[in-house]
Amino acid sequence: AAGVIQSPRHLIKEKRETATLKCYPIPRHDTVYWYQQGPGQDPQFLISFYEKMQSDKGSIPDRFSAQQFSDYHSELNMSSLELGDSALYFCASSQRIATNEKLFFGSGTQLSVL
Amino acid sequence: AQTVTQSQPEMSVQEAETVTLSCTYDTSESNYYLFWYKQPPSRQMILVIRQEAYKQQNATENRFSVNFQKAAKSFSLKISDSQLGDTAMYFCAFMKHLNSGGGADGLTFGKGTHLIIQP
Repeated sequence: AAGVIQSPRHLIKEKRETATLKCYPIPRHDTVYWYQQGPGQDPQFLISFYEKMQSDKGSIPDRFSAQQFSDYHSELNMSSLELGDSALYFCASSQRIATNEKLFFGSGTQLSVL
Repeated sequence: AQTVTQSQPEMSVQEAETVTLSCTYDTSESNYYLFWYKQPPSRQMILVIRQEAYKQQNATENRFSVNFQKAAKSFSLKISDSQLGDTAMYFCAFMKHLNSGGGADGLTFGKGTHLIIQP
């Protein structure tokens, strides 16, 4: 079965650079969530999209932005990177009605800011 | 806002034993979902089991079962016949039902319990 695809798997950036993380949800899933998990931490909700519209925002810094495109894939754009942005970034997808609120996670993008 | 508390940072048991991981939560919502996710060293987030708050029957998935006490806001995970592959971080998580209003804010996680299965 198809899963949530995230790219890249690993990303190394310098301070003040920009980064773009991509997420391809499971086919026919209409909702995408982004989470940030720091070392030894629990995942923190950043932002979600439903049917290509922003649905809710969590603890997402103003330096970050995200969108969901017509093909339902989503991108998380991160600018002016800081050392503290080093984390594992998860994307998850769901189909609101059919999967009854089961979130399926991608393998994550490990971002290291040097 | 919802909070999820896991009071056991780490647990260790012998292979084949039964282990119970604790989770409590706080919410003013009446309709919601509760989950247990497993995160092995690969850091993949894997759904273990899911419970709908309006269902009184406890969810089970093979060796995994929950004890859901809605009035006490408790949601513990029992792993029977534990295996070496069960070694992982286990997160308890809460999600309010979309019919409760608001956006799709996804899951609120606890801090996790690191479970170690000893051979």
